[in-house]
Amino acid sequence: SQQGEEDPQALSIQEGENATMNCSYKTSINNLQWYRQNSGRGLVHLILIRSNEREKHSGRLRVTLDTSKKSSSLLITASRAADTASYFCATVLGDSSYKLIFGSGTRLLVRP
Amino acid sequence: DGGITQSPKYLFRKEGQNVTLSCEQNLNHDAMYWYRQDPGQGLRLIYYSQIVNDFQKGDIAEGYSVSREKKESFPLTVTSAQKNPTAFYLCASRPGGGETQYFGPGTRLLVL
Repeated sequence: SQQGEEDPQALSIQEGENATMNCSYKTSINNLQWYRQNSGRGLVHLILIRSNEREKHSGRLRVTLDTSKKSSSLLITASRAADTASYFCATVLGDSSYKLIFGSGTRLLVRP
Repeated sequence: DGGITQSPKYLFRKEGQNVTLSCEQNLNHDAMYWYRQDPGQGLRLIYYSQIVNDFQKGDIAEGYSVSREKKESFPLTVTSAQKNPTAFYLCASRPGGGETQYFGPGTRLLVL
């Protein structure tokens, strides 16, 4: 089962612009993570936000979490062509397995 | 170099054939995971293992089998019972007590 839905499914922006991706989920979570996937490659962890946090920053990344709305957003500021990739949110429930439940992803294209 | 390796990069399966995908990690991580990714979709969990000689089914385990005889290895067998095996398969590992997963480069399985 897939917990999350991401919006938009695809996003095309100009280099230097900001990119915002949204993720919604269905059940209570322990934390929410964002991963990046370059075409045909494995995933790379970007950032983790816990259920008791509202906002987190890492370099050009800003993540917000609204547990009342069961939603999260990822903002990439001052985008670069190298940011072109698919971005996935993944939720972790409260059990000990630390299983990731992935959303369907947003495909980001940054035009030079 | 530390990391997760998956082999082969591409694998072809004939009708009625079982095939095994390799996943090896030298990160000394306790937990390992297998995911399936279909085109344009997020990842779905097939099996996971939190310690040697123990593993649990994920959301889509039917037609797959795994073993965890060594900490560093978690091979996945796609059996002939899996009627739609064409997909991108990703292996991941997680350190004990850690919350994020580290992914291998993936194996693309195609049916002849």
